Amino acid sequence: AQSVTQPDIHITVSEGASLELRCNYSYGATPYLFWYVQSPGQGLQLLLKYFSGDTLVQGIKGFEAEFKRSQSSFNLRKPSVHWSDAAEYFCAVGVPGTASKLTFGTGTRLQVTL
Amino acid sequence: DTAVSQTPKYLVTQMGNDKSIKCEQNLGHDTMYWYKQDSKKFLKIMFSYNNKELIINETVPNRFSPKSPDKAHLNLHINSLELGDSAVYFCASSQAGTSIHEQYFGPGTRLTVT
Repeated sequence: AQSVTQPDIHITVSEGASLELRCNYSYGATPYLFWYVQSPGQGLQLLLKYFSGDTLVQGIKGFEAEFKRSQSSFNLRKPSVHWSDAAEYFCAVGVPGTASKLTFGTGTRLQVTL
Repeated sequence: DTAVSQTPKYLVTQMGNDKSIKCEQNLGHDTMYWYKQDSKKFLKIMFSYNNKELIINETVPNRFSPKSPDKAHLNLHINSLELGDSAVYFCASSQAGTSIHEQYFGPGTRLTVT
């Protein structure tokens, strides 16, 4: 069965600094990969997704992620963090051919200091 | 226009009661889901319906029963509520059930069982 690991439970960055959130997956082939963001008291919003093709994908709010097959990783990056980016970030994996089942990581809480 | 809506947003009830949470999507999607997010923010799928047909049924107690009157609605009924049912329940929808598509989430229903 597939699994997702987000090694960092909590990350604090200063506003304007760059950000990288780590995500590693376990699956025998190339899965479908997603990053979602959850602001306090809100539902999850899709930031970006990777299905195939270009391994660097662009998302909303200035986020990007890079799929690295050799490292089984799909890290999320942003060049300059804004205070409004403070939220919980979830990486998720879907297995092609299964019935839309997503497996989520445990999330990384991002705190932004001014 | 809210894409995926849930009612109620908050639900406080006593052990042993029966309660329902309603979900509606206006995205024209074929597939809907229920997820449970525990106090540690871990998100796990419970059920998925595709065109009113159950396609995912994870290991969930029989006290939980989803009902899909049409493909735009997926309700969750919970019998004999227990303390451990306290969580945030998210409804989601996606384009199709037999392949992986991004899922759109509702705002969540915070259930507190006392």
